[in-house]
Amino acid sequence: SQTIHQWPATLVQPVGSPLSLECTVEGTSNPNLYWYRQAAGRGLQLLFYSVGIGQISSEVPQNLSASRPQDRQFILSSKKLLLSDSGFYLCAWSVRGNEKLFFGSGTQLSVL
Amino acid sequence: KQEVTQIPAALSVPEGENLVLNCSFTDSAIYNLQWFRQDPGKGLTSLLLIQSSQREQTSGRLNASLDKSSGRSTLYIAASQPGDSATYLCAVVYNFNKFYFGSGTKLNVKP
Repeated sequence: SQTIHQWPATLVQPVGSPLSLECTVEGTSNPNLYWYRQAAGRGLQLLFYSVGIGQISSEVPQNLSASRPQDRQFILSSKKLLLSDSGFYLCAWSVRGNEKLFFGSGTQLSVL
Repeated sequence: KQEVTQIPAALSVPEGENLVLNCSFTDSAIYNLQWFRQDPGKGLTSLLLIQSSQREQTSGRLNASLDKSSGRSTLYIAASQPGDSATYLCAVVYNFNKFYFGSGTKLNVKP
């Protein structure tokens, strides 16, 4: 069966520090991968999606970047965090042609 | 721009009631629609997926319907239980990779 792992669960970082969140998927090949952010009391905002290794599409201009170094690994990064980067970050994957979305457990990021 | 709206934003009901959550979308040319459940501080759990060619899907006490012509989907929860308390989100897929989420309905089922 397919599983998705996302870590860490909670992260507190000072303004200006770097960020690296990692997500891996098991049990499937060539998934579509996604990074979403959920601000408190608001809906999900799509940040990045990837259809293959090294292929990243960004939905909104921001202080973040994403990379896909391996087929089932998706990394969200920042060189210098801003206060506005605080939020709940969710990794997700889908099977091409099915487009059913599966989510990781999320990372609560607090930038202080 | 495709928009997905969920009404109400919050709902509180006594245990045992049947209830309906609503999701509306502006563009009827959808690929599929998915309902999710989210517990506080957790990721989203998929509940039901309705393909554009389908009118409804059922899983246990949950039934989701889709009316593309009117741009609406409903999630029906029968005999609600306190364990159903969570935020319910719908997501619409229009084309490859494009998922659009509503802001959710926060449900509280009182014992």
